[in-house]
Amino acid sequence: DVKVTQSSRYLVKRTGEKVFLECVQDMDHENMFWYRQDPGLGLRLIYFSYDVKMKEKGDIPEGYSVSREKKERFSLILESASTNQTSMYLCASSRTQGPEEQYFGPGTRLTVT
Amino acid sequence: QKEVEQNSGPLSVPEGAIASLNCTYSDRGSQSFFWYRQYSGKSPELIMSIYSNGDKEDGRFTAQLNKASQYVSLLIRDSQPSDSATYLCAVLIISNFGNEKLTFGTGTRLTIIP
Repeated sequence: DVKVTQSSRYLVKRTGEKVFLECVQDMDHENMFWYRQDPGLGLRLIYFSYDVKMKEKGDIPEGYSVSREKKERFSLILESASTNQTSMYLCASSRTQGPEEQYFGPGTRLTVT
Repeated sequence: QKEVEQNSGPLSVPEGAIASLNCTYSDRGSQSFFWYRQYSGKSPELIMSIYSNGDKEDGRFTAQLNKASQYVSLLIRDSQPSDSATYLCAVLIISNFGNEKLTFGTGTRLTIIP
């Protein structure tokens, strides 16, 4: 079974804080993704990575950065958290070769006060 | 026009009946289609993938794809209360930059009434 884990289920941070969200997958997947999910807006892609040290902007990258130093780990960084970044953050991974299904982690519900 | 469109619902179906969930997409070149189930407060879980025109069955679930009409659907037979969830349609779409991106609809909320 594919397993994608995220460092926290719930997180509360203050405006202006630097926030790190960690994601680890154990299936040797090449591709990793960060989404946020908001009511009525669905899943929106923030950043993705097809390889170590490689990153690509998704649909809403503003205010975020990412890091992928190892194949199994993909980190999302909020440089200076703002209240409009309060959301559910979901990490996903997939293979490059073969089935393109993405598998999701349990999510981190971030509240910025 | 949204790239992937779903009726947001809520869709209410009596227990034991067939639930029918629909999705349309804009990119005629799309080749890969997925259905995810998401329980309240949980992350999306992949339940079906379909790549060819026609039907694909897996237990009580059947995915249907019609590329000419740009339409994909999910049928759930013998609906159970445990099927109550939001169902997300996802389509692999070629972006303006030439790479492929999995694009999600906003989901249909399904409620099975005992």
